[in-house]
Amino acid sequence: KQEVTQIPAALSVPEGENLVLNCSFTDSAIYNLQWFRQDPGKGLTSLLLIQSSQREQTSGRLNASLDKSSGRSTLYIAASQPGDSATYLCAVLPPPGNTGKLIFGQGTTLQVKP
Amino acid sequence: NAGVMQNPRHLVRRRGQEARLRCSPMKGHSHVYWYRQLPEEGLKFMVYLQKENIIDESGMPKERFSAEFPKEGPSILRIQQVVRGDSAAYFCASSRDSTEAFFGQGTRLTVV
Repeated sequence: KQEVTQIPAALSVPEGENLVLNCSFTDSAIYNLQWFRQDPGKGLTSLLLIQSSQREQTSGRLNASLDKSSGRSTLYIAASQPGDSATYLCAVLPPPGNTGKLIFGQGTTLQVKP
Repeated sequence: NAGVMQNPRHLVRRRGQEARLRCSPMKGHSHVYWYRQLPEEGLKFMVYLQKENIIDESGMPKERFSAEFPKEGPSILRIQQVVRGDSAAYFCASSRDSTEAFFGQGTRLTVV
């Protein structure tokens, strides 16, 4: 059974710091991995999607890496800003034939202080 | 191209009433997923539907919960005889081909 874990559960940093959020999964047989952002009381916004054949994806100040063999992904946020404060969720998608349901971690709640 | 639309955004029901949550997928998407997010918990898969078919309902409670995705109109998640423990945020996601999912803003159900 696939399980997804995110560490740390919460993180508080001063503005301008570079930071890393961690995601681990127990079954390396995944189709892709997505990182989402969730603001309080809001929906999920997809940040980055990494296919199982890829090692990383970048979007602006965000960089996500994937190491399937070790069951790990990291989300790197450069030069953090107060507007980055949110909960970050990672989710894995099992291979085709598994109905496409995402399996989520518990999330990391980030606070960036001005 | 509008995103995934969910309504209502907030829903208050008394214990024992019925709750109906609606989800209109993105244009061209025929795969719909429902997830539930309980306070202080992660998102949990409930059900996966394609037009007129339930593909996977392994995450749905066995009683009081049902879902449909008719040929015409939105997908509906129905909760009968709601209890306080049903209070949660319910998210719908849609996908073109069951790979990348796009989420709606969610419906926040409060049972009083």
